[in-house]
Amino acid sequence: GENVEQHPSTLSVQEGDSAVIKCTYSDSASNYFPWYKQELGKRPQLIIDIRSNVGEKKDQRIAVTLNKTAKHFSLHITETQPEDSAVYFCAASMNDMRFGAGTRLTVKP
Amino acid sequence: DSGVTQTPKHLITATGQRVTLRCSPRSGDLSVYWYQQSLDQGLQFLIQYYNGEERAKGNILERFSAQQFPDLHSELNLSSLELGDSALYFCASSPRPGAASEQYFGPGTRLTVT
Repeated sequence: GENVEQHPSTLSVQEGDSAVIKCTYSDSASNYFPWYKQELGKRPQLIIDIRSNVGEKKDQRIAVTLNKTAKHFSLHITETQPEDSAVYFCAASMNDMRFGAGTRLTVKP
Repeated sequence: DSGVTQTPKHLITATGQRVTLRCSPRSGDLSVYWYQQSLDQGLQFLIQYYNGEERAKGNILERFSAQQFPDLHSELNLSSLELGDSALYFCASSPRPGAASEQYFGPGTRLTVT
């Protein structure tokens, strides 16, 4: 089945800096790659997603890139703010959704 | 608020017991997914139902079972509970049958096994 690896496990940045989280997947048939943000004790919330026929997608300060050949995708957050602090999960999906282990992002004011 | 509801919010029970977690999907969504999240861990996919039928199975133990009813709500049954089953259990829903689509998560049920 699909195996998703996510790095780094923790990331600390200064407010205003950029943050990058990277994921790799194993199943070349995976065709949908969402990113979820989970605040402490809350539900995961979809923040952006990308499909395999697209190389990049942007939504305000958030962007995701996908390299199908290398089987990796990344989340980029620019101009980080303290409220961006949370755990971020990547996932890869075709028949079922497999999540990465998560990245705990801390944005220091 | 995602529109997905889960009950109960918290559940405390003893080892060996059986519990049932309930999930109501967003209006119009036919797919329901169940996930387990242990402390400081990622989300482990358990099982998916689409319009009443099991569609995909993940790392679900034999002690666990689920079903989706005609009104599309779903229940996850956990039996012979062990300490290691303590976790947050999320359900998610989506409008499409395949997992390759956006999923909306409920608030979760926190299960504590003592």
